[in-house]
Amino acid sequence: SYVLTQPPSVSVAPGKTARITCGGNNIGGKSVHWHQQKPGQAPVLVIYRDSDRPSGIPERFSGSYSGNTATLTISGVEAGDEADYYCQVWDRSSYHVVFGGGTKLTVL
Amino acid sequence: HLQLQESGPRLVKPSETLSLTCTVSGGSINSQSYYWGWIRQPPGKGLEWIGTIFYNGITYYNPSLKSRVTISVDTSKNHFSLKLNSVTAADTAVYYCARQTNDYGPNWFDPWGQGTLVTVSS
Repeated sequence: SYVLTQPPSVSVAPGKTARITCGGNNIGGKSVHWHQQKPGQAPVLVIYRDSDRPSGIPERFSGSYSGNTATLTISGVEAGDEADYYCQVWDRSSYHVVFGGGTKLTVL
Repeated sequence: HLQLQESGPRLVKPSETLSLTCTVSGGSINSQSYYWGWIRQPPGKGLEWIGTIFYNGITYYNPSLKSRVTISVDTSKNHFSLKLNSVTAADTAVYYCARQTNDYGPNWFDPWGQGTLVTVSS
């Protein structure tokens, strides 16, 4: 089955740029989505279709991919961005939804 | 403004069946533009996809749960449901329902319900 690999944790100072990666075989051939989950809350979609932002999501959030890795970039990180971030795809070959293991973003 | 709300028993005994319903308000479940999904999250762990259903009843299931899961839809009541049988303590989790956009298949989840914690214990 398809696997998405994320680093367990990423730390960044306020105002700096955080990059959270999501690796998967031929991930460039899939549409990658990113969800933010703050403690005790339901997840919220922050990026869909690799790089599109839902309304209400700040421009500081962006998505990209290169090779077998998709990346969520958060520019000018704020304390309120501290959360768990999950990448997600629809694997058309197996008809399954797949989530990455999640990355805990810590703002120092 | 679409909203989803999970409902059902919060405590289920081992070996019994977990049943949850997701009621959709502010929009119709009877749409070719969207699918409807269930996701769960054990305490302190990551997100796990359970399954997805289309308005016409087409379903997709996580292979690791497929033998125990049934997802159904009732367009007249604008809700969809989850049944997970033969539960054990490992099924204790927060269960979320969410809408999935139909983009050449069931893609991104948005919005999500608030989630409901279901505990499996005698």
